[in-house]
Amino acid sequence: AQSVAQPEDQVNVAEGNPLTVKCTYSVSGNPYLFWYVQYPNRGLQFLLKYITGDNLVKGSYGFEAEFNKSQTSFHLKKPSALVSDSALYFCAVRDQGAGSYQLTFGKGTKLSVIP
Amino acid sequence: ETGVTQTPRHLVMGMTNKKSLKCEQHLGHNAMYWYKQSAKKPLELMFVYSLEERVENNSVPSRFSPECPNSSHLFLHLHTLQPEDSALYLCASSQVVYNEQFFGPGTRLTVL
Repeated sequence: AQSVAQPEDQVNVAEGNPLTVKCTYSVSGNPYLFWYVQYPNRGLQFLLKYITGDNLVKGSYGFEAEFNKSQTSFHLKKPSALVSDSALYFCAVRDQGAGSYQLTFGKGTKLSVIP
Repeated sequence: ETGVTQTPRHLVMGMTNKKSLKCEQHLGHNAMYWYKQSAKKPLELMFVYSLEERVENNSVPSRFSPECPNSSHLFLHLHTLQPEDSALYLCASSQVVYNEQFFGPGTRLTVL
């Protein structure tokens, strides 16, 4: 079985400060990992993914994420937060070897960037 | 915009009504998905289609009936829904089923 946890329901950060949104996962094989962002009244937008290779993945809008196999984590980061980054962020995982098409999403973390 | 459109954006229906949600993708993708997003709950995958063939059905009640007439269009037919079915219904597509998914804006459904 595959699962993903986002331990924080909400993260508050001051504009210009670095931000981190946490994600941990559990799979029996190797993971495909994704981050998505959802703005109010909109669908989810793809930010970045990890399939294999370099543990540091760069994505859209200046976001990056670091894959840590030993800690089974895939935290989302940005060096300098913008007010426009305020949104709901979802981490998702798929087990590469499970033969399932299902992408399992976390419950989401609400990011608020304070001016 | 992501290249995935959904209509209608808002729908209010009674429990005895029949309605349909429509999704269209303009990305040339081969896989399409229906998700349900309820408050305080993770996204729930409902159906997956690959090359117009249903490949996954996650124990969804029969009052939800999907249809994929071609790789660009996906429908969700609704009948005799319950108030607990009120949610945001999201459509997504991907190049193939293992790739990142691109989502539409969703249909906000309210069942009275």
